Amino acid sequence: AQSVTQPDIHITVSEGASLELRCNYSYGATPYLFWYVQSPGQGLQLLLKYFSGDTLVQGIKGFEAEFKRSQSSFNLRKPSVHWSDAAEYFCAVGLSGGYQKVTFGIGTKLQVIP
Amino acid sequence: GAVVSQHPSWVICKSGTSVKIECRSLDFQATTMFWYRQFPKQSLMLMATSNEGSKATYEQGVEKDKFLINHASLTLSTLTVTSAHPEDSSFYICSAYPTSGTGVNEQFFGPGTRLTVL
Repeated sequence: AQSVTQPDIHITVSEGASLELRCNYSYGATPYLFWYVQSPGQGLQLLLKYFSGDTLVQGIKGFEAEFKRSQSSFNLRKPSVHWSDAAEYFCAVGLSGGYQKVTFGIGTKLQVIP
Repeated sequence: GAVVSQHPSWVICKSGTSVKIECRSLDFQATTMFWYRQFPKQSLMLMATSNEGSKATYEQGVEKDKFLINHASLTLSTLTVTSAHPEDSSFYICSAYPTSGTGVNEQFFGPGTRLTVL
């Protein structure tokens, strides 16, 4: 079964600083990888996804993530964080193809300080 | 983009009553929908997979008689929490996979329903 590890439960960064949120997955085949953002009391919004092809994927709101098969990682990055980026971020992995279940990491709460 | 709605967005009920939560795909058809439960400061835990026209598939540890799922059409799935108790209080989120189109293999999430059982 697939699993996702987000080692950082809580991260604090200054506004304007760069951001990297870590995600490691465990899955035997090529995974479908996702990053979602959740604001308090809200549902999930997809930031970006990786299915195949270019391992550096661009998402919404200036986020990007890089798939590194050798490290089983899919870290999320943003060069300059805005106060509105404060939220909970979830990494998720799904099986290749079809309407398959997605497994979520525990989430990383991002706090942005002025 | 694909939009999924949930109704109600929040509900408060007395212990012992039943509560129905609706999940609708507004601009696409979804053969498969998922129901998740999220406890405070925790991740989403998959409860069940809802397939249109067939019985739902429940994850291990989820009581199917307590959490009734009905996926009667390609745009609507319902979750009924029967005989709710305070420990059922949680944030319930649904998601839907488009049956066709560019969104296939990507699930779209509803905004969630906050259930509080007194």
